[in-house]
Amino acid sequence: DAGVIQSPRHEVTEMGQEVTLRCKPISGHNSLFWYRQTMMRGLELLIYFNNNVPIDDSGMPEDRFSAKMPNASFSTLKIQPSEPRDSAVYFCASRQGGHPNNEQFFGPGTRLTVL
Amino acid sequence: DAKTTQPNSMESNEEEPVHLPCNHSTISGTDYIHWYRQLPSQGPEYVIHGLTSNVNNRMASLAIAEDRKSSTLILHRATLRDAAVYYCILRRTGANSKLTFGKGITLSVRP
Repeated sequence: DAGVIQSPRHEVTEMGQEVTLRCKPISGHNSLFWYRQTMMRGLELLIYFNNNVPIDDSGMPEDRFSAKMPNASFSTLKIQPSEPRDSAVYFCASRQGGHPNNEQFFGPGTRLTVL
Repeated sequence: DAKTTQPNSMESNEEEPVHLPCNHSTISGTDYIHWYRQLPSQGPEYVIHGLTSNVNNRMASLAIAEDRKSSTLILHRATLRDAAVYYCILRRTGANSKLTFGKGITLSVRP
């Protein structure tokens, strides 16, 4: 089992550029979560999907952030335009359906640096 | 949402038991108690969860107070690999409820 796969693992970009983060959930999992972690704010949930449908995007900071899940095996988080305050580690997690207490499996994260 | 309170940090010795406390005095009857941990430079990983009864699994034990206002995560024999940030999280019952991570407790393990 490959676990949750995220790419890229590191991204360095300049302010104003578009950034796209990618996630492949564990096969068979039907819930997918995007989190952001910074020293100041800790680990925050940005958005999550059930069966490819966004359920709660209240954590998405502003319109510069968007997330899609075109199919059960792929999701993207896009930031456009990026700003230095977006620098953080972005985690994707997936969970098998059946019960919301089922554990979430986290990917290794993407470390984003916006200069 | 009910909140949890954890100490900022704790130290333990290798191969000794560790008791990580969590206070949740405003917990409701439908809140589940979840524990996750985050090893350095990794994503969080699930440890254990419970509602009212104590729970055991291969990683740890969860002891829940009778009034449910506090709980304790027990690592029976700490190893160096257990050094991590441990998060105590309340999850409200509901299909679309989510996990809200706090600051957690940083566990250091001395060899």
